[in-house]
Amino acid sequence: QQQVKQSPQSLIVQKGGIPIINCAYENTAFDYFPWYQQFPGKGPALLIAIRPDVSEKKEGRFTISFNKSAKQFSLHIMDSQPGDSATYFCAARFYGKLTFGQGTILTVHP
Amino acid sequence: NAGVTQTPKFQVLKTGQSMTLQCAQDMNHNSMYWYRQDPGMGLRLIYYSASEGTTDKGEVPNGYNVSRLNKREFSLRLESAAPSQTSVYFCASSEEAYINEQFFGPGTRLTVL
Repeated sequence: QQQVKQSPQSLIVQKGGIPIINCAYENTAFDYFPWYQQFPGKGPALLIAIRPDVSEKKEGRFTISFNKSAKQFSLHIMDSQPGDSATYFCAARFYGKLTFGQGTILTVHP
Repeated sequence: NAGVTQTPKFQVLKTGQSMTLQCAQDMNHNSMYWYRQDPGMGLRLIYYSASEGTTDKGEVPNGYNVSRLNKREFSLRLESAAPSQTSVYFCASSEEAYINEQFFGPGTRLTVL
């Protein structure tokens, strides 16, 4: 049972573009929403995270927007660079356990 | 600090064979996790250990067993491997399950023929 749905599956943008990745969840008891970045052949690494009492969090070029009433959250990457090309996963935590979205493969062309 | 390490990096098994995947962390974390990653499925939790001496099932525990050997080490065992267990396996750890971020190892790519 997939409790976190992520879209799109893949995304291609030009350098400088603003890719947006969306996630929707069902369980209102989730208490923490991280985004992970994964490069080929590597393990996922935490990129940015938000708690449900905050509507937006920004760290450098990465921003999470959180809509609690709609049970949705999204990742925006400002001024995207070819080095941002990776797979991105959203996740949600309940009782210490993470449930991941299906992942989005982002390609940023030079 | 090496962080989270996993061995082996690659493994090919025949159906019915058994093997143990090893994971160790040097960050003095209390909680450890095993995930599998399959295309289009994200990462799914197999088992986790909130603290030394405890283990609990995750979303997809069937066909696996785990051992929390000590605070540093958490192993995953496949008793009788099946082709459906072909996947990339990740170990992760966190200081405390309910509070802190999870740090992931580099993964083990397992193929079951």
